[in-house]
Amino acid sequence: QVQLVESGGGVVQPGGSLRLSCAASGFLFSSYGMHWVRQAPGKGLEWVAFIWFDGSKDYYADAVKGRFTISRDNSKNKVNLQMNRLRHEDTALYYCAKGIRFLEWSMPEFDYRGQGSFVTVSS
Amino acid sequence: AIQLTQSPSSLSASLGDRVTITCRASQGIGNALAWYQQRPGKTPTLLIYDASSLDGGAPSRFSGSGSGTDFTLTISGLQPEDFATYYCQHFNTYPPALTFGGGTKVEIK
Repeated sequence: QVQLVESGGGVVQPGGSLRLSCAASGFLFSSYGMHWVRQAPGKGLEWVAFIWFDGSKDYYADAVKGRFTISRDNSKNKVNLQMNRLRHEDTALYYCAKGIRFLEWSMPEFDYRGQGSFVTVSS
Repeated sequence: AIQLTQSPSSLSASLGDRVTITCRASQGIGNALAWYQQRPGKTPTLLIYDASSLDGGAPSRFSGSGSGTDFTLTISGLQPEDFATYYCQHFNTYPPALTFGGGTKVEIK
């Protein structure tokens, strides 16, 4: 059973940095790509980033390109999101999600118990 | 970048109703479209992928159709647990990108 537990959220000033982490279990982590998806309060879903199963490639939404970096540690079953130069519009609940397909760039599957990690960018 | 426009943005329906939600892509995307359900305070759940393939955990009352630019999600016989927000999503192979529609909230009439 897929389990994804996000951590690291909090309040940060505009221009600041924050690092989110996601601990994964219940599946062969090293064989699946991982996503970050966010949702601003009362708004819809927005894809943020994806990293390949082996960390060899990563992809970003235009809104975060050059400011956010996704990484993973397959020895610890963790995926991270380093967020720099944060803006008010980055305020959101951040979810990590697993790619649905083995060893491929694929759409996300969420942990139904997931809580996400809330990031507030405010002065 | 490809845009996805869902309609309506919200709707009211009764238990047992047949409900249809539409998603229009700004350019042809073949069948690279998925549908997710998000209940309040919960993470999204994948219902349909490749426009019409039912995900393993999704009830059979959900169905998807369409290709190119126009897609629909149909719920045949609305159940209490179906009152939620539904999102379409396009998954682009190259350049790699993933786009969600704006969502359709299904409420109780």
